[in-house]
Amino acid sequence: GAGVSQSPSNKVTEKGKDVELRCDPISGHTALYWYRQSLGQGLEFLIYFQGNSAPDKSGLPSDRFSAERTGGSVSTLTIQRTQQEDSAVYLCASSFSPGLNTGELFFGEGSRLTVL
Amino acid sequence: AQSVTQPDIHITVSEGASLELRCNYSYGATPYLFWYVQSPGQGLQLLLKYFSGDTLVQGIKGFEAEFKRSQSSFNLRKPSVHWSDAAEYFCAVGAPGAGSYQLTFGKGTKLSVIP
Repeated sequence: GAGVSQSPSNKVTEKGKDVELRCDPISGHTALYWYRQSLGQGLEFLIYFQGNSAPDKSGLPSDRFSAERTGGSVSTLTIQRTQQEDSAVYLCASSFSPGLNTGELFFGEGSRLTVL
Repeated sequence: AQSVTQPDIHITVSEGASLELRCNYSYGATPYLFWYVQSPGQGLQLLLKYFSGDTLVQGIKGFEAEFKRSQSSFNLRKPSVHWSDAAEYFCAVGAPGAGSYQLTFGKGTKLSVIP
């Protein structure tokens, strides 16, 4: 597609359930990011993938969060045993080039997660 | 650690009026600086960026921003606001240098425009 595609756009789940959020980056973009946007907060960095390099997982808030990127393209963010504090909008972004000064980040519209 | 402060949570301006959104950062050196806009139901879109050089940068949609080292600020301005500018605006910083990839965002300023 023309832009970064995320699914689902909205997800309501019960506390304790697992959820998967999907990101389809712009074709040819080697860098992929996940950010979390909680109500009234700025965007919080979660994880970064660049090509075949080991991902930077330093922003994942707990071991209930994991992400993978298959074939250098689609990425899935998985949250296990969801908690109410996980409720947020999860934003994916991709970039043609890995550096902030060489590639612009293009963001998807986000996946809004509500944990009841 | 770097941080970004956007002092104004919500600003309301009349259409045609000028606009200034404030952004202050904390960082040991001059970081990379960015402004993004998020319209309702949309992803973030880059308005403009500053890496080095001329401290006044022009962006899309008629926006500009000025980097002031002495004030650690990177305020966003527009001389005449249009109703379509109503959105949330985020200032962000990144560590300078090749390979730097992580952004730190402010909490955003929501802009409302009165017709």
